[in-house]
Amino acid sequence: DTGVSQDPRHKITKRGQNVTFRCDPISEHNRLYWYRQTLGQGPEFLTYFQNEAQLEKSRLLSDRFSAERPKGSFSTLEIQRTEQGDSAMYLCASRANLNTEAFFGQGTRLTVV
Amino acid sequence: GQQVMQIPQYQHVQEGEDFTTYCNSSTTLSNIQWYKQRPGGHPVFLIQLVKSGEVKKQKRLTFQFGEAKKNSSLHITATQTTDVGTYFCAGRANSGAGSYQLTFGKGTKLSVIP
Repeated sequence: DTGVSQDPRHKITKRGQNVTFRCDPISEHNRLYWYRQTLGQGPEFLTYFQNEAQLEKSRLLSDRFSAERPKGSFSTLEIQRTEQGDSAMYLCASRANLNTEAFFGQGTRLTVV
Repeated sequence: GQQVMQIPQYQHVQEGEDFTTYCNSSTTLSNIQWYKQRPGGHPVFLIQLVKSGEVKKQKRLTFQFGEAKKNSSLHITATQTTDVGTYFCAGRANSGAGSYQLTFGKGTKLSVIP
């Protein structure tokens, strides 16, 4: 495992549909983040996992968004009833501890039409 | 909540000129990290600063962490076309709510004119 993997790389969906993204972190990393990035902006924090526990979630995150990390390895991010404003790049990052570098995946680009 | 601000948002320089981007946090940080994102790519880690007043150098890049651990800067000497990209600072709050988050600034997009 040489890096963080995200699947799919691209997703086009119709408004109102549900979508799910997957992230496979670096295997020995127990900390995992989800971020959203729109054009010209920095990564916006969505949620944080330590092992399987979701320890922090952005207050800006709509209840249409949910994330899981059931076995403390891979994670999924689901968006229900997608809206055009959800169109963005969704980035996953993992790190070994809170004071080390974060490794980002290539991201999933979501387009809601 | 914690906010991290970066200026300028954009910087266009002639190749060979210097470049500086500044980062300010609304809260005291445990540490600060810098990342570079090339067009079409994902953020890639450059460096981490931990100590108050710390200065680190990587070839033409110089990173500083403020005495109060609330601000930081990245300076590039004699820019090259390979420096093109967006530079982000990212900080983690020292304690309290949000201390797990790695909060990113909006970034400074650097363009280098050959």
